[in-house]
Amino acid sequence: EAGVTQSPTHLIKTRGQQATLRCSPISGHTSVYWYQQALGLGLQFLLWYDEGEERNRGNFPPRFSGRQFPNYSSELNVNALELEDSALYLCASSLRGNSPLHFGNGTRLTVT
Amino acid sequence: QQPVQSPQAVILREGEDAVINCSSSKALYSVHWYRQKHGEAPVFLMILLKGGEQKGHDKISASFNEKKQQSSLYLTASQLSYSGTYFCGTVINSGNTPLVFGKGTRLSVIA
Repeated sequence: EAGVTQSPTHLIKTRGQQATLRCSPISGHTSVYWYQQALGLGLQFLLWYDEGEERNRGNFPPRFSGRQFPNYSSELNVNALELEDSALYLCASSLRGNSPLHFGNGTRLTVT
Repeated sequence: QQPVQSPQAVILREGEDAVINCSSSKALYSVHWYRQKHGEAPVFLMILLKGGEQKGHDKISASFNEKKQQSSLYLTASQLSYSGTYFCGTVINSGNTPLVFGKGTRLSVIA
């Protein structure tokens, strides 16, 4: 079974630009989660999609947004990038709510 | 709503035991435990549902006390492969609430 795949692996952007991160869940999984992992802050919850709908979002500004496509893949968009957005962005999928999360290897976003 | 983990870091010698605690200020529906090795993605260890259950996974087990809104992860006879950062994640009900993680506990096992 193919795992959760994320692209790109690394992304370097300049402050003020926009970044798009992509995630393909495990086949059959309908829930997709996005987490930000910055140094020393653990895994900060960003967004949760299930069956194409946004179920919940974390305490992040509106410039963090995303969507889930009919094939359950997902996209995270970060507008007006700031230096503190530099982090590892992890996507995870699950079969349904409250099932184990399966994480991808993440996208390392660097904002200069 | 972020759960609080303790300790923040612990160093063990091979064969020693450790306990990692996770507590919440909210009533919990479930607790998840994950381990992340350096440079890798977090990996699921186990889920505990309300009802006060205890689970085991090889020499790693966990308990969940829903009245105290606490969970503990027990690592016995630690091995070098146990090194990594352990995260607890909590769900406060079974509806539209996401899995929220604590800041993690860094465990280092040395020979």
